[in-house]
Amino acid sequence: AQSVTQLGSHVSVSEGALVLLRCNYSSSVPPYLFWYVQYPNQGLQLLLKYTSAATLVKGINGFEAEFKKSETSFHLTKPSAHMSDAAEYFCAVSERNQAGTALIFGKGTTLSVSS
Amino acid sequence: NAGVTQTPKFQVLKTGQSMTLQCAQDMNHEYMSWYRQDPGMGLRLIHYSVGAGITDQGEVPNGYNVSRSTTEDFPLRLLSAAPSQTSVYFCASSYDGTQETQYFGPGTRLLVL
Repeated sequence: AQSVTQLGSHVSVSEGALVLLRCNYSSSVPPYLFWYVQYPNQGLQLLLKYTSAATLVKGINGFEAEFKKSETSFHLTKPSAHMSDAAEYFCAVSERNQAGTALIFGKGTTLSVSS
Repeated sequence: NAGVTQTPKFQVLKTGQSMTLQCAQDMNHEYMSWYRQDPGMGLRLIHYSVGAGITDQGEVPNGYNVSRSTTEDFPLRLLSAAPSQTSVYFCASSYDGTQETQYFGPGTRLLVL
């Protein structure tokens, strides 16, 4: 079965600093990979997704992620953090099984941004 | 489009009570799923459906029941609530569950006493 590991349950950065949220996956077949963001008391919103096209994926709000097959990684970055980026971020991998498909999530990383 | 809607937003149950969490989408999506979110655990898949009349179990199905009689609706039933089912429940839908974006509802916060 596929799985996702997010390194660091909590990341703190200063406003204007680089944001790096780490995600590693395990998969025996080429995966589809996603980053979702959850703001307090809200549902999840898609930031970006990798579906085997370009390895560098650009998403909303200035975020991007690079798929590295050799490292089984899909880390999320943003050059300059903004206060509004404070949220919880989830990496997820798509798994195809017999009856359909399922989205497997990591445990999440909470991003704090200080002024 | 309203997107994915969930009702109720918040519910308190006593142990042993039953209830149904409602989920509806107006995007004509075939794929719908239910997740529960617990602190430090991320989102875990409870049940999912790839179309009307077709459902399957996810990672944590015990204590929950689903059915899919229409494309639009995918209710989640708690047969006999337990304190361990205290959680936030999210419904999601997508055109295809593999590589398409899943759209999430706002969630239902459930407290079981």
